[in-house]
Amino acid sequence: GQQVMQIPQYQHVQEGEDFTTYCNSSTTLSNIQWYKQRPGGHPVFLIQLVKSGEVKKQKRLTFQFGEAKKNSSLHITATQTTDVGTYFCAYSGAGSYQLTFGKGTKLSVIP
Amino acid sequence: ETGVTQTPRHLVMGMTNKKSLKCEQHLGHNAMYWYKQSAKKPLELMFVYNFKEQTENNSVPSRFSPECPNSSHLFLHLHTLQPEDSALYLCASSQGSSGNTIYFGEGSWLTVV
Repeated sequence: GQQVMQIPQYQHVQEGEDFTTYCNSSTTLSNIQWYKQRPGGHPVFLIQLVKSGEVKKQKRLTFQFGEAKKNSSLHITATQTTDVGTYFCAYSGAGSYQLTFGKGTKLSVIP
Repeated sequence: ETGVTQTPRHLVMGMTNKKSLKCEQHLGHNAMYWYKQSAKKPLELMFVYNFKEQTENNSVPSRFSPECPNSSHLFLHLHTLQPEDSALYLCASSQGSSGNTIYFGEGSWLTVV
């Protein structure tokens, strides 16, 4: 079956440093979504990528979908303490309501 | 305000108790979900309802019993739970088929003693 691996599991950075989390699939994905969960909070949708090679930006966040649609990344430039939380990638199969989440990358930012 | 409201936010129950979690979505969506989040399994899908019909049941033990009376309301009935069932239970909703954004409620923190 389809498997999505998310790495790293944890990342500690100094404030101002960059951060990247990756999701890698064993098979081609139709689309991929990214969510952020603040400590004590609930997952909140960030973005969806659909097209091969797609790149989207939200301020300091850059999202990429690989050419083969098997991997995706979220890059944060110059992290701030407000970036703290767990970042999840998620995907669903065609025609399915089931959204499968990666295990998440927990980001800590040291001020 | 997420558009998905869950009650109670915190629940402590004994292993012989019967309790229910409630979820209501105000987004006009047709699909609703229950997810379980614990330290061992970050986000684990439990049940999916589409137009109040159950479409997915991910091998969830029968001590968890969902109920979806209409597209806006979802319940999770709990009985004879185990301490390992302690977790954050997240309700969510979405519109349409795969690839649509899922909107989560703030969750219900459940502790089984």
